[in-house]
Amino acid sequence: GESVGLHLPTLSVQEGDNSIINCAYSNSASDYFIWYKQESGKGPQFIIDIRSNMDKRQGQRVTVLLNKTVKHLSLQIAATQPGDSAVYFCAENNDYKLSFGAGTTVTVRA
Amino acid sequence: NAGVTQTPKFQVLKTGQSMTLQCAQDMNHNSMYWYRQDPGMGLRLIYYSASEGTTDKGEVPNGYNVSRLNKREFSLRLESAAPSQTSVYFCASSEPSQGIAQAFFGQGTRLTVV
Repeated sequence: GESVGLHLPTLSVQEGDNSIINCAYSNSASDYFIWYKQESGKGPQFIIDIRSNMDKRQGQRVTVLLNKTVKHLSLQIAATQPGDSAVYFCAENNDYKLSFGAGTTVTVRA
Repeated sequence: NAGVTQTPKFQVLKTGQSMTLQCAQDMNHNSMYWYRQDPGMGLRLIYYSASEGTTDKGEVPNGYNVSRLNKREFSLRLESAAPSQTSVYFCASSEPSQGIAQAFFGQGTRLTVV
């Protein structure tokens, strides 16, 4: 079965609001996590990553939070824009092979 | 800089036919991967190659074979296609030796087996 999963398959967000996408993982030994964005008809694109020795990492308009106690990962997108509409995947590194969750489809409402 | 290039982009096969999906990367990465993506599911690893000359099975290897032709190229072969292999296939590469485990993906090959 999957070791990485997302809490919700879909998320609808008003343009300008913040988005929060959640992910639960089961392998407590995982040491590296990545968030990918996949637009329709394209391959996944790297957004941000975080190592298990960190709790938080920020990028441009995105923040990833890692809670190792409850094995939970989240991606926060600030001021969501129409171009953020996509499927978002969390991935867990296991010996340099990535295990993916099922994805959350984010739809931005104008 | 092309990154990861996959060919073809689309393919329709009849049950029992064979075909090879091609993948090439120009980032000088050691590791390459083949994933499949089915509706409502994440990507599942078919095969991977940690370095030139090595290949290993992933989560769903049955019905597939791979060849790491050289450092740049990693091909995926379906010997006898089945409808269950209808999927979108993604090739990816990464460079673990630099501590970079993130994988860079190609645009995908959409395969339909009828």
